Amino acid sequence: EVQLVESGGGLIQPGGSLRLSCAASGFTVSSNYMSWVRQAPGKGLEWVSVIYSGGSTYYADSVKGRFTISRDNSKNTLYLQMNSLRAEDTAVYYCARELRFYGDYVGYYFDYWGQGTLVTVSS
Amino acid sequence: SSELTQDPAVSVALGQTVRITCQGDSLRSYYASWYQQKPGQAPVLVIYGKNNRPSGIPDRFSGSSSGNTASLTITGAQAEDEADYYCNSRDSSGNHPSFGGGTKLTVL
Repeated sequence: EVQLVESGGGLIQPGGSLRLSCAASGFTVSSNYMSWVRQAPGKGLEWVSVIYSGGSTYYADSVKGRFTISRDNSKNTLYLQMNSLRAEDTAVYYCARELRFYGDYVGYYFDYWGQGTLVTVSS
Repeated sequence: SSELTQDPAVSVALGQTVRITCQGDSLRSYYASWYQQKPGQAPVLVIYGKNNRPSGIPDRFSGSSSGNTASLTITGAQAEDEADYYCNSRDSSGNHPSFGGGTKLTVL
């Protein structure tokens, strides 16, 4: 059974750092596309970062230079290192697995999501 | 701002049909996927590709696409379908995911 379990959220002061973890079971993180997606209170979903199976990484402009996505193959775990945190980073952070498929077009979709972990940036 | 545009809110009478749309240039090259999210819960995939439903998703949910617009249709909306719905595809470069702003569906 596929499962994603996030941890590491909490209350942090502006300018601080936090590392989120996403422990996966039922599949291999390093063989898949893995993303972090966040949702600020009362707002919509915002994609944050992705790490592809080949190791390439991409970031939303809002977090570029402050956040780093990584994975530990031995622990089958995805991470998000968040530095220089701002009030606007306050959100529930989800990790999700993304699959790619081919038809008339190329398609991608998130088939599994974690339950989310809340990050609150406040003094 | 998102590269995928959705109407913020839509309403439907119980048992009627509703269409939720998503517009964006990337939809001319990439399929959309659709997610249902209820308060306090993680998003759930309901449609992906041309018109594919994951196991467990009722067949009243269907998807379609034309040009730069993807649509999610609920035929015979039920009270339990009241939720936020998000479309997802790629950004204009194709390098990473992108979400629409979401549509709040109210079932009257």
